[in-house]
Order: sequence, then structure tokens, then C-alpha cells
Amino acid sequence: DAMVIQNPRYQVTQFGKPVTLSCSQTLNHNVMYWYQQKSSQAPKLLFHYYDKDFNNEADTPDNFQSRRPNTSFCFLDIRSPGLGDAAMYLCATSSLIHRTYEQYFGPGTRLTVT
Amino acid sequence: GEDVEQSLFLSVREGDSSVINCTYTDSSSTYLYWYKQEPGAGLQLLTYIFSNMDMKQDQRLTVLLNKKDKHLSLRIADTQTGDSAIYFCAATVTGGGNKLTFGTGTQLKVEL
Repeated sequence: DAMVIQNPRYQVTQFGKPVTLSCSQTLNHNVMYWYQQKSSQAPKLLFHYYDKDFNNEADTPDNFQSRRPNTSFCFLDIRSPGLGDAAMYLCATSSLIHRTYEQYFGPGTRLTVT
Repeated sequence: GEDVEQSLFLSVREGDSSVINCTYTDSSSTYLYWYKQEPGAGLQLLTYIFSNMDMKQDQRLTVLLNKKDKHLSLRIADTQTGDSAIYFCAATVTGGGNKLTFGTGTQLKVEL
């Protein structure tokens, strides 16, 4: 089945220790997104890639970076995680070709910062 | 920018219908979506409606859109315990970079 995969599902990192979360997709969608979701809140868009074009949200901290080496993979790098970065991180994909703009989400990675 | 709001909680009995409401502010929203999120999981797309429609039915799900009032609802018929989850409505605007604005989410609790 075509899908969005996130690894790992649970990640524990230490305060200030860089961490990378990964996302892969078999949908061949040209747009990939990273969201941060804190407890009892709506997902908050951090950035997205339209093909290779990177689009950062204005309020995304510099501590968060992303890489998309090819269509299938996208990575979220947190350079120096703080306690406030503990959250669920969701990856999503979309295909503008279909013009219905729906996004398909992965299962998420729960990040704990100790 | 777009603002999307939902009530926080809804409790229903198994077998009853559930109606989850959502309001949005941007009249140029072109597509509106309903997502379901179970505990510890990602978001599952349930259905969506294009802004030139006023109703869409998909099995137990009925979406109603009142574009004049900028009001969207999701009706779940014959609600089951497996429907217990958080439901998010979301809106997108053509030319808005394909970005979704999510509501705050409605926690649906289904009681026996």
C-alpha cells in the first residue's frame, strides 16, 4: 500500500543533543510537510518542500532545519533540542497535480527531551 | 489569515448520531477537510468538500457546508466506540501554497 512512513515512532534525546527524524513516502507526491503537534493542540506547520523548493514558515525557530535529498525522503533536524521541543512531529505529503490539495499524514514521531 | 475554530468536546451514546461543527473566517477557502486523530497516531483524512458544494455523503459520514455563514459540519451516523478520537477540520485557499489551517480539534467521546 502507498503510504507515509516515519522513523522512529518514539525518539528520546538529551537537552542540546542534535536529533534527526525521518520521513519517507511511496505516494510519489511532490510536496512534503513537517508539522509540530503539542499535546491537545492542532498541528503547526514548520516548513514544506514543493519538489526541491524549501518553504519555511515565518515563525519556525532557526533550531529546526530540513533536508529533502530526493522525492521519497525528507528529514527534520533539530540542532539543539530544548525541553519545549518535546512534541509529536508529523510528516505529510500532497500532490498538487490532483488539485484537491489533501494531505496524507504519517503516524508521527513522539520526541521526548530529557 | 485564516482562523478555524471548533468546540472542544462532544459526548454521544453509541448508536446515536454525532455532529461536529467548525467555523472558518476566510471566504476564499476552496477545500475543507475533516481529519481524525486517534491517541498517539497521525491524522487520517476522512473526507473533504469543495467550496462549490453544500453537501457530501460518504457512507456514515455527511459533510455540510454553509458558505454564507462559513460553517462546516461533520455528521457521523450510528456512532461507534471506534469513532472516539479527536476530529480536526482544516481549510485551504487556492494559491495559499497548498497549506492547511487546522482547527483546534474536537474530542469525541462515545459512551456505551
